Amino acid sequence: QQQVRQSPQSLTVWEGETAILNCSYEDSTFNYFPWYQQFPGEGPALLISIRSVSDKKEDGRFTIFFNKREKKLSLHITDSQPGDSATYFCAATLNNYAQGLTFGLGTRVSVFP
Amino acid sequence: GPKVLQIPSHQIIDMGQMVTLNCDPVSNHLYFYWYKQILGQQMEFLVNFYNGKVMEKSKLFKDQFSVERPDGSYFTLKIQPTALEDSAVYFCASSGQPGTEVFFGKGTRLTVV
Repeated sequence: QQQVRQSPQSLTVWEGETAILNCSYEDSTFNYFPWYQQFPGEGPALLISIRSVSDKKEDGRFTIFFNKREKKLSLHITDSQPGDSATYFCAATLNNYAQGLTFGLGTRVSVFP
Repeated sequence: GPKVLQIPSHQIIDMGQMVTLNCDPVSNHLYFYWYKQILGQQMEFLVNFYNGKVMEKSKLFKDQFSVERPDGSYFTLKIQPTALEDSAVYFCASSGQPGTEVFFGKGTRLTVV
């Protein structure tokens, strides 16, 4: 059973639109949720993250909405740009030194001009 | 930004042979990780390493796997002997303090034939 699920698997938006990526998790002890952006041939790079004490985190065009009760979160990319075309991974962990990150399968986003 | 370097980027090896994957983590980081990603599947945590010791490992970290960082040199993942199912991309990562950003390398694509 996947601990972290992402939907949709792929998403296509036009430049300027808002892309919405969804994520849900099983383990209620998870308390730290980073989103990673990965371009082909590169390693994942931290985009934005949220801790379970918050319900929203904003950084420029990227916003995380977090619903602890439903164990769901979403990443909104507003004013999408062609350079945002990448795979986005939702991850979760218990925020201590020992626990590794549990990743979802990713959402591939394509932004067309 | 900070870089995690992985050497080599690709490695092809005969089944049963030994392979060592090398990682040069961010210079002042203290926590080191290996993740495994099979094509089309999610990235999965293998192991983390701190102060010369394995802190936590997943069920994917088989007895044939070992990690070390002798004298502050490369952080290595050794697989001996290799099996066909070890074919995957292996990502190295590092972080400074617990709960801080985890930086990933570009990965080493290992093909066992």
